[in-house]
Amino acid sequence: DAGVTQSPTHLIKTRGQQVTLRCSPKSGHDTVSWYQQALGQGPQFIFQYYEEEERQRGNFPDRFSGHQFPNYSSELNVNALLLGDSALYLCASSLVGQEYNEQFFGPGTRLTVL
Amino acid sequence: AQSVAQPEDQVNVAEGNPLTVKCTYSVSGNPYLFWYVQYPNRGLQFLLKYITGDNLVKGSYGFEAEFNKSQTSFHLKKPSALVSDSALYFCAVRADNAGNMLTFGGGTRLMVKP
Repeated sequence: DAGVTQSPTHLIKTRGQQVTLRCSPKSGHDTVSWYQQALGQGPQFIFQYYEEEERQRGNFPDRFSGHQFPNYSSELNVNALLLGDSALYLCASSLVGQEYNEQFFGPGTRLTVL
Repeated sequence: AQSVAQPEDQVNVAEGNPLTVKCTYSVSGNPYLFWYVQYPNRGLQFLLKYITGDNLVKGSYGFEAEFNKSQTSFHLKKPSALVSDSALYFCAVRADNAGNMLTFGGGTRLMVKP
């Protein structure tokens, strides 16, 4: 049973560039959430996708956008990168209607903005 | 609004001794509480959760946590620490009316010395 997978593992970009991160949820899951974990901090919720729509959003600017595909996989896009966007980006999957259950996290993508 | 506080950046304990990692929370509504562990360069691994029922919950690797509603706490415990327990521990909360968004604490680094 494949868990949550993310790609790429590491990414280096420069300020002003755009980046796309990818996530495949755990088999059987239909909901994907994205989190940003800055160095030395806990993860912060960016947004959640279900049925190919953004359902819930944290306190992040519009530069952060996403997409969910019919196979439930998801992309996180960040435009006009800032130095402060350097972080570990975590994808988590779950099953709708079971919010009492734990979310399963992927290994993350480490983004460095120079 | 929901928030989590982990008052200790680091906890040091000798192998074989009991350990406690503290967590307090604030939510509007009934809380769903979670503990996750993060090893270097890895994503988050689920340890245990409190949804309802017995205040003492048992999880993976011998960990347990006690839910205290009056003190709004959910401390993580283990009777006998192992060197391999050394890692970063995160407490997270989700209100039962807050959708899928998890709010994490800042994390506590557990160091178990041989």
